[in-house]
Amino acid sequence: DVKVTQSSRYLVKRTGEKVFLECVQDMDHENMFWYRQDPGLGLRLIYFSYDVKMKEKGDIPEGYSVSREKKERFSLILESASTNQTSMYLCASSLYISGGDYGYTFGSGTRLTVV
Amino acid sequence: AQKITQTQPGMFVQEKEAVTLDCTYDTSDQSYGLFWYKQPSSGEMIFLIYQGSYDEQNATEGRYSLNFQKARKSANLVISASQLGDSAMYFCAMRDEDGGTSYGKLTFGQGTILTVHP
Repeated sequence: DVKVTQSSRYLVKRTGEKVFLECVQDMDHENMFWYRQDPGLGLRLIYFSYDVKMKEKGDIPEGYSVSREKKERFSLILESASTNQTSMYLCASSLYISGGDYGYTFGSGTRLTVV
Repeated sequence: AQKITQTQPGMFVQEKEAVTLDCTYDTSDQSYGLFWYKQPSSGEMIFLIYQGSYDEQNATEGRYSLNFQKARKSANLVISASQLGDSAMYFCAMRDEDGGTSYGKLTFGQGTILTVHP
């Protein structure tokens, strides 16, 4: 019954590495989102995508890029990982219709540690 | 720009008592939605309750109710008859529903950690 799948639960990478975080949803949702969660800061939006190959920056896009080649898959890329990117990363998808409780379906998160 | 503020980093409540988690918001949108999510220690995000800005009645879902005060721009979550399993992080979030290019994205608050004591 898994609907949004993040490929890794825990990940340890070295500074300077290129890191790929993968997210797949099976609900045919148009919109997908990447957030990072840090204590005291809540969830902050990195990037989102509203269609295949379409993407928009969120509030904290610096140091990140994204790819959405297929509707069901949304990848977050850390071009050159740094220690300040150590965080919990949450992927979500949504079927947005104005009004109504069409919120997010979240993945289980990826806890990334950059050493 | 939208902003959500949760001023209580941590809250404690006795089992079977009620607790209120505060949430204030700031937006220039006329139409918006407010959400509460629960995040247990396992890390999953669980949707609890939704309130639309034009809904005249406060939303309720079982033991959860949303105390919506539009003029004060507050959307507090009330949990009645607390249970040990309610111990978790709680996030308030807002969505622009004025149309345009919001694409349903949510803006989240900082979160409140609730601890329920037996």
